[in-house]
Amino acid sequence: GAGVSQSPSNKVTEKGKDVELRCDPISGHTALYWYRQSLGQGLEFLIYFQGNSAPDKSGLPSDRFSAERTGGSVSTLTIQRTQQEDSAVYLCASSRAHGYTFGSGTRLTVV
Amino acid sequence: GNSVTQMEGPVTLSEEAFLTINCTYTATGYPSLFWYVQYPGEGLQLLLKATKADDKGSNKGFEATYRKETTSFHLEKGSVQVSDSAVYFCALMSNYGQNFVFGPGTRLSVLP
Repeated sequence: GAGVSQSPSNKVTEKGKDVELRCDPISGHTALYWYRQSLGQGLEFLIYFQGNSAPDKSGLPSDRFSAERTGGSVSTLTIQRTQQEDSAVYLCASSRAHGYTFGSGTRLTVV
Repeated sequence: GNSVTQMEGPVTLSEEAFLTINCTYTATGYPSLFWYVQYPGEGLQLLLKATKADDKGSNKGFEATYRKETTSFHLEKGSVQVSDSAVYFCALMSNYGQNFVFGPGTRLSVLP
């Protein structure tokens, strides 16, 4: 597609359940990023994929968070045993050279 | 480590007023600097950027100049419109790293 697509756009889940968030980047963009935007906070870096290199996972807040990028394209961010503090908007971005494009995000609410 | 500080909002202005949103940064090396905008219900959009000292980024009437001596990248617009109401994020990307560091965002509300 023309932009970065994220799904679902909204997700409400019960505390303790696992969730999967999907990001479909712009075709040909080799870099893919996940960020988290909590209420009243700025953007927090989570993880970065670049081509076939090992991902930079330095921003993942705990071992409940993991992400995969299959075939250098679609990425899935998984949060296990969700907690209320995981409630946030999760943003994906892809880039090639210096052009960055963000998706509209997935709003996750843990109740 | 790298960091970005923005003026706290919310900022409320009348239409046609002058806008300044301050942004200062701390970084090693020579980062690239960005302003992103998030309109209600939408994702982030790049507003403007500057990649080296004294560069001026501009778009849609907004401007920001990369000032290395004051480590600043203040966003300005001469005459705001209601449609400019959004959250504005200042960000940097270090030339050593691969990810952005964002400021907390400044919410702007423009009243007719």
